[in-house]
Amino acid sequence: AQSVTQLGSHVSVSEGALVLLRCNYSSSVPPYLFWYVQYPNQGLQLLLKYTSAATLVKGINGFEAEFKKSETSFHLTKPSAHMSDAAEYFCAVSLGINAGGTSYGKLTFGQGTILTVHP
Amino acid sequence: DAMVIQNPRYQVTQFGKPVTLSCSQTLNHNVMYWYQQKSSQAPKLLFHYYDKDFNNEADTPDNFQSRRPNTSFCFLDIRSPGLGDAAMYLCATSRVPAGRSYNEQFFGPGTRLTVL
Repeated sequence: AQSVTQLGSHVSVSEGALVLLRCNYSSSVPPYLFWYVQYPNQGLQLLLKYTSAATLVKGINGFEAEFKKSETSFHLTKPSAHMSDAAEYFCAVSLGINAGGTSYGKLTFGQGTILTVHP
Repeated sequence: DAMVIQNPRYQVTQFGKPVTLSCSQTLNHNVMYWYQQKSSQAPKLLFHYYDKDFNNEADTPDNFQSRRPNTSFCFLDIRSPGLGDAAMYLCATSRVPAGRSYNEQFFGPGTRLTVL
């Protein structure tokens, strides 16, 4: 079984400040990890993913995340927040594709973190 | 552009009146998923199809059914909606890639269901 915990349901930063959204995971096997962003009344858009290659992953819109196995973490960062970054962010874990089974990349999501950016 | 389309974007139904939500995709992906997202909560997987193989999550209520008549379309049927079924319903698609052990899911914009 796998689970995700996002620390902080709300994060508020000033425009231009560092963004740090925290995600810790629990998984019985090496996981695949994803960050998604959701704008109001929209679907989820993939920001970046960790697939067991490089531990530092760069995504769209200047976001990046670092996989730390020892800390079971996959925190999302952006050096300088922009007003357009205000949204809800979800961390998700997948055990991948279970060949011959029925687990086709099922995602388990954290509870989400709402990011507010102040001018 | 290849995409995942959900219709309608907003659906209002009455308590107990059956409702069907639609999802279509032009990505030619073999896996389609339905998630339920209640207000201020994470999306929760209801079920998914791999081609025509249906996989139901253990805790998905019997009130929720799904159909996938072809690769492009997938429907979510709620047989007798209750007030607790009001939520955003998200459709996602994915391709199971040869030689790779993970896949990415592409989400539609969602249908927001209101139950009166």
